[in-house]
Amino acid sequence: DGGITQSPKYLFRKEGQNVTLSCEQNLNHDAMYWYRQDPGQGLRLIYYSQIVNDFQKGDIAEGYSVSREKKESFPLTVTSAQKNPTAFYLCASSKRGPSDPEAFFGQGTRLTVV
Amino acid sequence: GQQVMQIPQYQHVQEGEDFTTYCNSSTTLSNIQWYKQRPGGHPVFLIQLVKSGEVKKQKRLTFQFGEAKKNSSLHITATQTTDVGTYFCAGPAGGSYIPTFGRGTSLIVHP
Repeated sequence: DGGITQSPKYLFRKEGQNVTLSCEQNLNHDAMYWYRQDPGQGLRLIYYSQIVNDFQKGDIAEGYSVSREKKESFPLTVTSAQKNPTAFYLCASSKRGPSDPEAFFGQGTRLTVV
Repeated sequence: GQQVMQIPQYQHVQEGEDFTTYCNSSTTLSNIQWYKQRPGGHPVFLIQLVKSGEVKKQKRLTFQFGEAKKNSSLHITATQTTDVGTYFCAGPAGGSYIPTFGRGTSLIVHP
């Protein structure tokens, strides 16, 4: 089945540690995104990538880093510089272009930093 | 930058009552999308509106796009408990296709 997979579903880390969230898609989509969701805040864009080996900062990129070495994969690293990393992280992908804007989301990773 | 505002933030209804959520943009949108997120789940695409004044229906759900393409609404007729969740609108940021989401409206349906 085609889809987008995030792992793990739940993740616990100690403060000060970097952590990498996985996102894989087999939909052959060019564009991939990372969103952060906090209660009452909606979805805020962290980073996005429109093509392999290229990515752009979103609205809240500070304390995060990404890579796009393969079309299928767009991992997100939450660094120790992120001041409030505990949140629900959603990865999404879509075809590139306004005619096919539908974004397909993964199941999400709930990160808790203690 | 572009902002997509959504109201209300929360809405409690009795099962069978109607529900409406509104989405307003500070700029003209080339299109608008609606998503539904069930509690504990991830957003799922519902529909896209493109034309000025467009109205689309999906069973009990009616979606409208304003004439000026700056606002949109989602109306649910005779809510059911299965309608519970958060409804998001999303519009492309600037001249791109990158979806910018509103804060969402959480619908709570009381049986």
